[in-house]
Amino acid sequence: GQNIDQPTEMTATEGAIVQINCTYQTSGFNGLFWYQQHAGEAPTFLSYNVLDGLEEKGRFSSFLSRSKGYSYLLLKELQMKDSASYLCAVRDRVQLTFGSGTQLTVLP
Amino acid sequence: NAGVMQNPRHLVRRRGQEARLRCSPMKGHSHVYWYRQLPEEGLKFMVYLQKENIIDESGMPKERFSAEFPKEGPSILRIQQVVRGDSAAYFCASSPDRANNSPLHFGNGTRLTVT
Repeated sequence: GQNIDQPTEMTATEGAIVQINCTYQTSGFNGLFWYQQHAGEAPTFLSYNVLDGLEEKGRFSSFLSRSKGYSYLLLKELQMKDSASYLCAVRDRVQLTFGSGTQLTVLP
Repeated sequence: NAGVMQNPRHLVRRRGQEARLRCSPMKGHSHVYWYRQLPEEGLKFMVYLQKENIIDESGMPKERFSAEFPKEGPSILRIQQVVRGDSAAYFCASSPDRANNSPLHFGNGTRLTVT
């Protein structure tokens, strides 16, 4: 089975940097995804990691350590529009299993 | 290239009625996934289908729920004899293949309210 843990809520200030952590326990591992979901909208794909290390994509970066079952999403130069829920998801052989999401609030 | 299309966006049903949720995947995508999301909770996997085949239905309740993805037409998630606990947002997602690095592309969801 899968077990994915993320903090429920985080708050940060506009222009700052925030790191959202995700730990997982899985019987099989074929990659980890991060999604962004604004209230009432569809989740949108942010990043994919399957090898250890950091993947950078503009203001967003994602890190993976397979041996530790750990990932984080790093958001730089926060903007008000970054207020959303951030979902960590792990792919096993077939399914993509989601964590409960971290609700990020960006304050002016 | 149109994204994943779900309809209706909102659906209200009385207890005991049937709910039919439709999903048209992105063009070129033959893999469809259904997820359920309760308020303030994450997405819970329900079923994974490829054209005309159910690949994994381990997240589907054993009774009242069924899903199909026919050769022609959209995927349908069907809930018979709905109860208040079925009220949730139901998201459909699609991917072009089963490659591990293929992200799922989500539709805007159908919000089911059972009165």
